[in-house]
Amino acid sequence: DTEVTQTPKHLVMGMTNKKSLKCEQHMGHRAMYWYKQKAKKPPELMFVYSYEKLSINESVPSRFSPECPNSSLLNLHLHALQPEDSALYLCASSRAAWGQGVEAFFGQGTRLTVV
Amino acid sequence: AQTVTQSQPEMSVQEAETVTLSCTYDTSESDYYLFWYKQPPSRQMILVIRQEAYKQQNATENRFSVNFQKAAKSFSLKISDSQLGDAAMYFCAYRNDRSGSARQLTFGSGTQLTVLP
Repeated sequence: DTEVTQTPKHLVMGMTNKKSLKCEQHMGHRAMYWYKQKAKKPPELMFVYSYEKLSINESVPSRFSPECPNSSLLNLHLHALQPEDSALYLCASSRAAWGQGVEAFFGQGTRLTVV
Repeated sequence: AQTVTQSQPEMSVQEAETVTLSCTYDTSESDYYLFWYKQPPSRQMILVIRQEAYKQQNATENRFSVNFQKAAKSFSLKISDSQLGDAAMYFCAYRNDRSGSARQLTFGSGTQLTVLP
């Protein structure tokens, strides 16, 4: 199983809504990542979790709140978003963030539209 | 800081022909990995090939091969016998392997590949 599963695939939310994105992997990976990707641009790193602890926060606004309840699950809680936050949100996992590292596996992403 | 540059925003290739996508990078590190990822319209980033910097031998995966020139900091991807399913955005990516550092990916700006029937 080399899958990273993201739900939902599409999400439309108002600026006052609260929603969550979910990411799951069962590869035993201990590093998980959130990326934001605008159209025709490369992914931009948002957060890195290593062994369920937040290790990197790339100065992301507080309206994005990550959570890693266990080693297989990563959530991104959204609140009071702006229209410019509309993007594809990609989750990824890899064997480890620190130490001997290898490639990251990506999910299919959640296409978020803020109205 | 590391940077990755893809100077070809768009490329096209005839089906069954060969195409080469260019990538250069800048780093002061000696240990690192380089990757090519493919992102088709389905949006999922799919790993195409990886290269360890300490290996002189160029990586190969079926129809995909790389030309890794460490001194020149160049990492090009060659796709042989191009197929319609190869049409996608291709991203070159760098990841350092220095002990104690974070292993996140640095991506290039991408090359949109069109395969013509």
